[in-house]
Amino acid sequence: GAGVSQSPRYKVAKRGQDVALRCDPISGHVSLFWYQQALGQGPEFLTYFQNEAQLDKSGLPSDRFFAERPEGSVSTLKIQRTQQEDSAVYLCASSLSFTGGPLEQYFGPGTRLTVT
Amino acid sequence: QQPVQSPQAVILREGEDAVINCSSSKALYSVHWYRQKHGEAPVFLMILLKGGEQKGHDKISASFNEKKQQSSLYLTASQLSCSGTYFCGTEMDSSYKLIFGSGTRLLVRP
Repeated sequence: GAGVSQSPRYKVAKRGQDVALRCDPISGHVSLFWYQQALGQGPEFLTYFQNEAQLDKSGLPSDRFFAERPEGSVSTLKIQRTQQEDSAVYLCASSLSFTGGPLEQYFGPGTRLTVT
Repeated sequence: QQPVQSPQAVILREGEDAVINCSSSKALYSVHWYRQKHGEAPVFLMILLKGGEQKGHDKISASFNEKKQQSSLYLTASQLSCSGTYFCGTEMDSSYKLIFGSGTRLLVRP
């Protein structure tokens, strides 16, 4: 079946603009994660959804970052008033279930955001 | 607390073996290993749970030493396709929140 998809793949924004990044998880996957990956670094946790509930948003860098998953499927990460330090690859991952022990996360290809 | 990966980079000739280590200063619930090629999504390799288990498939295996809070990834008889950056992701409890190391860049040359 189809994997995790993200759009757009590349986004260039002028400083101060708002952006919205979309994630389509694997069908039926309950858990959804957003990560930020700086150049040459590992993914850094931003937020976690279980169905439509946002259970952990401890990794969001500031209140300019907002994520939602209103129907428990597609998720959107929104960044308001973008700053240059927001430039990074934003990865989305989904996982089958939240019970029964740790499960592998399936990652999307990411959205590369460049703020000029 | 971000896990520490070593080495930071390694260059191999095709057919050589490699070991990548991932260490944490905190007690771990599980360790996840991923490989990422340039511009692509991280690809899941395996999960190890506390209890000191060992896993393997194909030419990749891994171990988890709970006493040392360290996991090691072993690649045997490397192929060109093994090239990429290997990340370990550590989980402190069963919260599914992964903290990733900064990666080990592996290059396999003919």
